[in-house]
Amino acid sequence: GAGVSQSPSNKVTEKGKDVELRCDPISGHTALYWYRQSLGQGLEFLIYFQGNSAPDKSGLPSDRFSAERTGGSVSTLTIQRTQQEDSAVYLCASSLDPGNNEQFFGPGTRLTVL
Amino acid sequence: DAKTTQPPSMDCAEGRAANLPCNHSTISGNEYVYWYRQIHSQGPQYIIHGLKNNETNEMASLIITEDRKSSTLILPHATLRDTAVYYCIVRVHGEYDYKLSFGAGTTVTVRA
Repeated sequence: GAGVSQSPSNKVTEKGKDVELRCDPISGHTALYWYRQSLGQGLEFLIYFQGNSAPDKSGLPSDRFSAERTGGSVSTLTIQRTQQEDSAVYLCASSLDPGNNEQFFGPGTRLTVL
Repeated sequence: DAKTTQPPSMDCAEGRAANLPCNHSTISGNEYVYWYRQIHSQGPQYIIHGLKNNETNEMASLIITEDRKSSTLILPHATLRDTAVYYCIVRVHGEYDYKLSFGAGTTVTVRA
């Protein structure tokens, strides 16, 4: 079956612009996670969705970051007024339910802020 | 979560078994051992997990010592496509422990 997909695969933007990153989880997966990975760095948790609600937004680095999920499926991560330090690979993962620790990752969106 | 220690890198010959060690001496009784890998420019990929019994799936085998202080991931017949960074983590199962966090991992290079 189809895995987690993300779009775009690459995004280059200018400092100060807004960007939207999209994630399509595996069908039927109720839990969805956003992470980011900077060059040579580990995985940084951003936000977790259970259905359409986000019980844990603790990893969002600033109020310029927001995310939503609609229909219990697609999720969008929005970064407003991008900064150079936002440059990273943004990864989305989904799991059957939050208690299931097998998270399936998408290929990521590489964001470059000039 | 308990910390893990892995060698920074290892080489393996194609077709041979790759044995990846992981130390987790402070693991607690309710923590599982998980392995993920990340091939260059791809998202992390789940491999296997276990509590105390040895586990095997289509990708790998996981051997956990009786005292659970260390484990070994075995790739039985390594291929060039197994070249990746392999991460060993320990974490509690359940709804409230969903944040994955990787250390430096082991960079495995499979050579022809």
